[in-house]
Amino acid sequence: SQTIHQWPATLVQPVGSPLSLECTVEGTSNPNLYWYRQAAGRGLQLLFYSVGIGQISSEVPQNLSASRPQDRQFILSSKKLLLSDSGFYLCAWSNGGYGYTFGSGTRLTVV
Amino acid sequence: QKEVEQDPGPLSVPEGAIVSLNCTYSNSAFQYFMWYRQYSRKGPELLMYTYSSGNKEDGRFTAQVDKSSKYISLFIRDSQPSDSATYLCAMSAGNQFYFGTGTSLTVIP
Repeated sequence: SQTIHQWPATLVQPVGSPLSLECTVEGTSNPNLYWYRQAAGRGLQLLFYSVGIGQISSEVPQNLSASRPQDRQFILSSKKLLLSDSGFYLCAWSNGGYGYTFGSGTRLTVV
Repeated sequence: QKEVEQDPGPLSVPEGAIVSLNCTYSNSAFQYFMWYRQYSRKGPELLMYTYSSGNKEDGRFTAQVDKSSKYISLFIRDSQPSDSATYLCAMSAGNQFYFGTGTSLTVIP
Protein backbone atom coordinates (compact mmCIF):
# COMPACT_ATOMS: atom_id res chain seq x y z
CA SER A 1 0.00 0.00 0.00
CA GLN A 2 1.04 3.58 -0.52
CA THR A 3 2.28 5.69 2.36
CA ILE A 4 3.57 9.21 2.65
CA HIS A 5 6.02 10.39 5.26
CA GLN A 6 6.56 13.99 6.20
CA TRP A 7 8.85 15.36 8.86
CA PRO A 8 9.38 16.99 11.22
CA ALA A 9 5.93 17.34 12.79
CA THR A 10 6.73 20.65 14.46
CA LEU A 11 9.53 23.12 13.98
CA VAL A 12 10.42 26.41 15.61
CA GLN A 13 12.97 28.42 13.71
CA PRO A 14 14.39 31.94 14.12
CA VAL A 15 13.89 34.57 11.45
CA GLY A 16 16.65 34.40 8.87
CA SER A 17 17.46 30.74 9.43
CA PRO A 18 17.27 28.14 6.63
CA LEU A 19 14.50 25.58 6.24
CA SER A 20 14.32 22.08 4.88
CA LEU A 21 11.16 19.97 5.04
CA GLU A 22 11.21 16.52 3.55
CA CYS A 23 8.49 14.31 2.16
CA THR A 24 8.80 10.79 0.82
CA VAL A 25 6.26 8.47 -0.75
CA GLU A 26 6.31 4.69 -0.71
CA GLY A 27 4.41 2.12 -2.69
CA THR A 28 3.93 4.06 -5.91
CA SER A 29 6.03 5.28 -8.78
CA ASN A 30 6.09 8.57 -10.64
CA PRO A 31 3.56 10.27 -8.39
CA ASN A 32 2.54 13.89 -8.73
CA LEU A 33 3.82 15.62 -5.61
CA TYR A 34 2.55 18.79 -3.97
CA TRP A 35 3.43 21.21 -1.20
CA TYR A 36 0.58 23.13 0.39
CA ARG A 37 0.42 25.68 3.16
CA GLN A 38 -2.70 25.87 5.29
CA ALA A 39 -3.58 28.99 7.23
CA ALA A 40 -6.48 29.11 9.67
CA GLY A 41 -9.68 30.11 7.90
CA ARG A 42 -7.93 30.45 4.56
CA GLY A 43 -7.88 26.91 3.30
CA LEU A 44 -5.12 25.19 1.41
CA GLN A 45 -2.72 27.24 -0.68
CA LEU A 46 -0.82 25.32 -3.33
CA LEU A 47 2.85 26.29 -3.19
CA PHE A 48 4.60 23.85 -5.55
CA TYR A 49 3.82 20.79 -7.57
CA SER A 50 5.99 18.32 -9.44
CA VAL A 51 5.11 15.79 -12.12
CA GLY A 52 8.60 14.26 -12.27
CA ILE A 53 12.20 14.39 -11.09
CA GLY A 54 13.59 17.89 -11.39
CA GLN A 55 10.25 19.28 -12.62
CA ILE A 56 8.93 21.93 -10.27
CA SER A 57 6.10 24.38 -10.83
CA SER A 58 5.50 27.27 -8.49
CA GLU A 59 2.03 28.63 -7.95
CA VAL A 60 2.82 31.76 -6.00
CA PRO A 61 5.86 34.03 -5.67
CA GLN A 62 7.40 33.49 -2.30
CA ASN A 63 10.41 33.02 -0.11
CA LEU A 64 10.36 29.25 -0.55
CA SER A 65 11.68 26.79 -3.11
CA ALA A 66 11.11 23.11 -3.80
CA SER A 67 13.18 20.32 -5.25
CA ARG A 68 12.57 16.75 -6.32
CA PRO A 69 15.90 14.95 -6.35
CA GLN A 70 14.35 11.47 -6.55
CA ASP A 71 11.09 10.10 -7.90
CA ARG A 72 9.45 9.78 -4.48
CA GLN A 73 11.18 12.58 -2.59
CA PHE A 74 10.00 16.18 -2.40
CA ILE A 75 11.80 18.87 -0.42
CA LEU A 76 10.62 22.32 0.61
CA SER A 77 13.38 24.80 1.39
CA SER A 78 14.14 28.35 2.28
CA LYS A 79 17.48 30.13 2.58
CA LYS A 80 16.18 32.72 5.05
CA LEU A 81 12.88 32.33 6.84
CA LEU A 82 10.49 35.23 7.35
CA LEU A 83 7.88 35.59 10.07
CA SER A 84 5.22 35.28 7.37
CA ASP A 85 6.47 31.78 6.53
CA SER A 86 4.87 30.43 9.70
CA GLY A 87 2.07 27.99 9.00
CA PHE A 88 1.04 24.39 8.59
CA TYR A 89 2.79 22.76 5.64
CA LEU A 90 1.38 19.70 3.95
CA CYS A 91 2.93 17.40 1.42
CA ALA A 92 0.62 15.35 -0.80
CA TRP A 93 0.79 12.91 -3.66
CA SER A 94 -1.57 11.92 -6.42
CA ASN A 95 -1.62 9.65 -9.42
CA GLY A 96 -4.28 11.74 -11.08
CA GLY A 97 -8.04 11.39 -11.09
CA TYR A 98 -9.50 11.54 -7.65
CA GLY A 99 -7.96 12.66 -4.48
CA TYR A 100 -4.70 13.40 -2.86
CA THR A 101 -3.07 11.54 -0.06
CA PHE A 102 -1.70 14.01 2.43
CA GLY A 103 1.15 13.70 4.85
CA SER A 104 0.65 14.43 8.52
CA GLY A 105 1.90 18.00 8.17
CA THR A 106 4.60 20.20 9.66
CA ARG A 107 3.69 23.07 11.91
CA LEU A 108 6.34 25.73 11.37
CA THR A 109 6.67 28.66 13.72
CA VAL A 110 9.14 31.35 12.80
CA VAL A 111 10.15 33.46 15.79
CA GLN B 1 -15.23 34.47 -7.93
CA LYS B 2 -13.52 31.59 -6.17
CA GLU B 3 -13.50 28.22 -7.90
CA VAL B 4 -14.94 26.55 -4.80
CA GLU B 5 -17.03 28.13 -2.05
CA GLN B 6 -17.57 26.50 1.33
CA ASP B 7 -19.18 27.93 4.44
CA PRO B 8 -16.48 27.90 7.15
CA GLY B 9 -18.97 27.48 10.00
CA PRO B 10 -18.34 26.70 12.78
CA LEU B 11 -21.13 24.18 12.97
CA SER B 12 -22.13 22.72 16.33
CA VAL B 13 -24.67 19.88 16.61
CA PRO B 14 -25.80 17.46 19.32
CA GLU B 15 -24.76 13.83 19.12
CA GLY B 16 -27.07 11.83 16.89
CA ALA B 17 -28.02 14.75 14.64
CA ILE B 18 -27.89 14.67 10.87
CA VAL B 19 -25.21 17.00 9.54
CA SER B 20 -25.27 18.59 6.11
CA LEU B 21 -22.09 20.12 4.69
CA ASN B 22 -22.12 21.87 1.34
CA CYS B 23 -19.94 23.41 -1.35
CA THR B 24 -20.66 25.27 -4.53
CA TYR B 25 -18.39 25.64 -7.49
CA SER B 26 -18.15 27.57 -10.71
CA ASN B 27 -16.15 25.38 -13.10
CA SER B 28 -18.34 23.01 -15.09
CA ALA B 29 -15.24 21.01 -16.12
CA PHE B 30 -14.87 19.46 -12.67
CA GLN B 31 -15.37 15.70 -12.85
CA TYR B 32 -14.14 14.33 -9.51
CA PHE B 33 -15.61 15.49 -6.24
CA MET B 34 -14.09 14.67 -2.89
CA TRP B 35 -14.57 15.20 0.80
CA TYR B 36 -11.70 15.26 3.24
CA ARG B 37 -11.78 15.12 7.01
CA GLN B 38 -9.09 16.90 8.96
CA TYR B 39 -8.58 16.49 12.67
CA SER B 40 -6.78 19.21 14.56
CA ARG B 41 -3.04 19.33 13.82
CA LYS B 42 -3.28 16.47 11.31
CA GLY B 43 -3.23 16.24 7.55
CA PRO B 44 -6.55 15.90 5.70
CA GLU B 45 -7.67 12.34 4.96
CA LEU B 46 -9.83 11.37 2.02
CA LEU B 47 -13.29 10.49 3.26
CA MET B 48 -15.28 10.01 0.07
CA TYR B 49 -15.04 10.70 -3.61
CA THR B 50 -17.61 10.76 -6.40
CA TYR B 51 -17.16 10.81 -10.11
CA SER B 52 -19.63 13.07 -11.95
CA SER B 53 -23.17 13.40 -10.64
CA GLY B 54 -25.07 11.20 -8.24
CA ASN B 55 -24.98 9.84 -4.73
CA LYS B 56 -22.51 7.66 -2.92
CA GLU B 57 -23.05 6.11 0.47
CA ASP B 58 -20.47 4.73 2.89
CA GLY B 59 -21.78 3.81 6.31
CA ARG B 60 -23.08 6.95 8.00
CA PHE B 61 -21.75 9.19 5.22
CA THR B 62 -23.49 10.12 1.97
CA ALA B 63 -21.96 12.31 -0.72
CA GLN B 64 -24.17 13.98 -3.30
CA VAL B 65 -23.18 15.79 -6.45
CA ASP B 66 -25.56 17.93 -8.48
CA LYS B 67 -23.60 19.10 -11.53
CA SER B 68 -26.54 21.01 -12.96
CA SER B 69 -26.57 23.23 -9.88
CA LYS B 70 -22.80 23.03 -9.31
CA TYR B 71 -23.47 21.95 -5.76
CA ILE B 72 -22.10 19.12 -3.66
CA SER B 73 -23.09 17.89 -0.22
CA LEU B 74 -21.88 15.57 2.48
CA PHE B 75 -24.43 14.16 4.91
CA ILE B 76 -23.45 12.55 8.19
CA ARG B 77 -26.14 10.48 9.89
CA ASP B 78 -26.17 9.71 13.60
CA SER B 79 -23.27 12.07 14.16
CA GLN B 80 -20.73 11.13 16.81
CA PRO B 81 -18.29 13.20 18.86
CA SER B 82 -15.51 11.49 16.89
CA ASP B 83 -16.89 13.23 13.78
CA SER B 84 -15.74 16.56 15.22
CA ALA B 85 -13.24 17.83 12.67
CA THR B 86 -12.88 20.20 9.76
CA TYR B 87 -14.38 18.94 6.51
CA LEU B 88 -12.95 20.13 3.21
CA CYS B 89 -14.56 19.66 -0.14
CA ALA B 90 -12.36 19.31 -3.20
CA MET B 91 -12.86 18.88 -6.89
CA SER B 92 -10.68 18.31 -9.87
CA ALA B 93 -10.42 18.58 -13.60
CA GLY B 94 -7.40 16.61 -14.78
CA ASN B 95 -4.44 17.23 -12.49
CA GLN B 96 -5.79 20.51 -11.11
CA PHE B 97 -7.37 20.23 -7.69
CA TYR B 98 -9.37 22.93 -5.96
CA PHE B 99 -10.24 22.91 -2.28
CA GLY B 100 -12.86 24.64 -0.22
CA THR B 101 -11.69 26.46 2.90
CA GLY B 102 -13.25 23.83 5.16
CA THR B 103 -16.18 23.69 7.58
CA SER B 104 -15.42 23.19 11.26
CA LEU B 105 -17.83 20.71 12.86
CA THR B 106 -18.27 19.99 16.56
CA VAL B 107 -20.55 17.18 17.70
CA ILE B 108 -21.56 17.71 21.32
CA PRO B 109 -22.05 14.56 23.46
